Amino acid sequence: GAVVSQHPSRVICKSGTSVKIECRSLDFQATTMFWYRQFPKQSLMLMATSNEGSKATYEQGVEKDKFLINHASLTLSTLTVTSAHPEDSSFYICSAGNGRINSPLHFGNGTRLTVT
Amino acid sequence: DAKTTQPTSMDCAEGRAANLPCNHSTISGNEYVYWYRQIHSQGPQYIIHGLKNNETNEMASLIITEDRKSSTLILPHATLRDTAVYYCIVRVNFGNEKLTFGTGTRLTIIP
Repeated sequence: GAVVSQHPSRVICKSGTSVKIECRSLDFQATTMFWYRQFPKQSLMLMATSNEGSKATYEQGVEKDKFLINHASLTLSTLTVTSAHPEDSSFYICSAGNGRINSPLHFGNGTRLTVT
Repeated sequence: DAKTTQPTSMDCAEGRAANLPCNHSTISGNEYVYWYRQIHSQGPQYIIHGLKNNETNEMASLIITEDRKSSTLILPHATLRDTAVYYCIVRVNFGNEKLTFGTGTRLTIIP
């Protein structure tokens, strides 16, 4: 149980275009999902918290207009990288939990974004 | 969330027990100790978590000191597939609380 699916696993796009990444909780409902970014040889950095039916909460230094988050259902959150630039190339990872006390968060397998 | 301190890297021989330490001296009474691991180019995988009692599951054992200021993750019979970065994280245990990652321990299993 507790499977989180992320799509696509890899994407290459041209500078200036937008890319959408999907995160789905397959066997549970997730009122909250988290988006992380990971640069090579670094740890995961939380970008934002995605709340179903309301606006996402962004970490300090993360541009909300550049990284659009939509959490329209209890099983799907999307992250759109708008007007992507080469410096946005990174490994993006989502996480979700079922909201129950004493229940761990589970992670998707990540999306490798390369902006050329 | 309280910060954790882990060794940067460790090696362990295949088939032996891997013992990964973690210090969390500022842990609060309502914070649990979580362990995740990340195999190269994959998302983190949940391993185990606990509050104050030792815990065991099919993947590992977690030993938490009585004062809760440190813990040890034990992989009883390490295999090559256990080579990964292991993260020790303390987190309040409400279901939708975030995880804040440190730098973790890079564990290499030696054949």
